[in-house]
Amino acid sequence: GEDVEQSLFLSVREGDSSVINCTYTDSSSTYLYWYKQEPGAGLQLLTYIFSNMDMKQDQRLTVLLNKKDKHLSLRIADTQTGDSAIYFCAERPGGFKTIFGAGTRLFVKA
Amino acid sequence: DTAVSQTPKYLVTQMGNDKSIKCEQNLGHDTMYWYKQDSKKFLKIMFSYNNKELIINETVPNRFSPKSPDKAHLNLHINSLELGDSAVYFCASSLAGDADTQYFGPGTRLTVL
Repeated sequence: GEDVEQSLFLSVREGDSSVINCTYTDSSSTYLYWYKQEPGAGLQLLTYIFSNMDMKQDQRLTVLLNKKDKHLSLRIADTQTGDSAIYFCAERPGGFKTIFGAGTRLFVKA
Repeated sequence: DTAVSQTPKYLVTQMGNDKSIKCEQNLGHDTMYWYKQDSKKFLKIMFSYNNKELIINETVPNRFSPKSPDKAHLNLHINSLELGDSAVYFCASSLAGDADTQYFGPGTRLTVL
C-alpha cells in the first residue's frame, strides 16, 4: 500500500540542528520530496532526491535516503526561528500521484 | 508574477449552496491538481488533470466537479455544500519529467456554516 509516516512534532533551540524523519512504503518510488508549509500559505518545495541517490546537500539542508529501510530524513543545520513551519515528506510511487505524510511541525525556540 | 493563483482566498457560505474555486498557473505546466487540507493539516489529493484530461479521481463525492478549460486553468465546482467540506483547498501544478515537483497555490479557505 501507499503510506508515508512522519512524527508530528519537533522542537529545537535556535542554532541547533533539526532532523526530521520519514518512512515510506512504496519501494518503487522514483522521487522523494520535502515540502515546507508556513502558516497561511501553500506548500513550497524545499528539496527532492532521486531514488538512486543516498544523500543530497543544499546549503543548510541535507537529505539522507536509506532505500533498504525506506527511510528519508531532512537535516536543517543552524536552525533559525524562520524555519518554524510544517515539513511534509512525500513520495511519488509512479504515475501522477504524490503521497504526502501528515507533516512534522517544527518549533524553533529562541 | 504569481506562479499559481487561486480565487477566492476565503469563502464563507451556507450549507446547501453551490460554489466554485478557480486556479490558474502561468508556469507552462501540463499537470494540475486539487488537494484538500483538513484542520489537522492532512493533505489529500482529490483530482489531477494532465493536458486537460482527468488522470486522478480519488474517492471524492460527486458533488465535487473539476473542470479544466485549458492547460493553465483548473476550476473546482462544489454543489450542495456540507459542513464537512470546510477545509483549505490547494491547487498545484507540475511539469511531467521535471522531477514532477509541484508548485502550490496559496490556498482557498472554505468555511461552510
